[in-house]
Amino acid sequence: SQQGEEDPQALSIQEGENATMNCSYKTSINNLQWYRQNSGRGLVHLILIRSNEREKHSGRLRVTLDTSKKSSSLLITASRAADTASYFCATDEAGTALIFGKGTTLSVSS
Amino acid sequence: DTAVSQTPKYLVTQMGNDKSIKCEQNLGHDTMYWYKQDSKKFLKIMFSYNNKELIINETVPNRFSPKSPDKAHLNLHINSLELGDSAVYFCASSNGISYEQYFGPGTRLTVT
Repeated sequence: SQQGEEDPQALSIQEGENATMNCSYKTSINNLQWYRQNSGRGLVHLILIRSNEREKHSGRLRVTLDTSKKSSSLLITASRAADTASYFCATDEAGTALIFGKGTTLSVSS
Repeated sequence: DTAVSQTPKYLVTQMGNDKSIKCEQNLGHDTMYWYKQDSKKFLKIMFSYNNKELIINETVPNRFSPKSPDKAHLNLHINSLELGDSAVYFCASSNGISYEQYFGPGTRLTVT
């Protein structure tokens, strides 16, 4: 299975700042999803964007998808300490399973 | 009210032993998964079951054997445990491959 790539691997910001993380993938997809994982916990689904969508919002989250560049970005606005977690993108490019990226570890300090 | 539950949460055992991890979901989903997450947080699909039938079996040693007694349960049995099996194992479920997945809390397996 081809693994997606997130960028950056780690990100440290102050509360109130925006956090942007990027994801690239290899082949065509039906959708791309973003998940959050708090330390020692399971992954939690954040947002799903379909291949025919370019942008999607959910609360303080904004996701973009550029299928021509095979990339997506997740923007968290006005970050809070509680946003500290690892963030993973996942695609269904394999057709049979979600392929998860390596994750971006976000640290938000107060 | 837990959507996807796993037991046990922690499992410490010696090399060569056989152990099982249980997973149950009460979401009515038709597809369940097992993932392995290593120390670098790399998350890899191991197995996927749809309506009790195996649909994905990634390259994992045949010491790992999943079993789905019904749509709501997917258990993972591991024979002859090795040091390299130490990881966090996650169960998940969804209503199809391309849809959002709900993850269990994970089982941290430590093989000594």
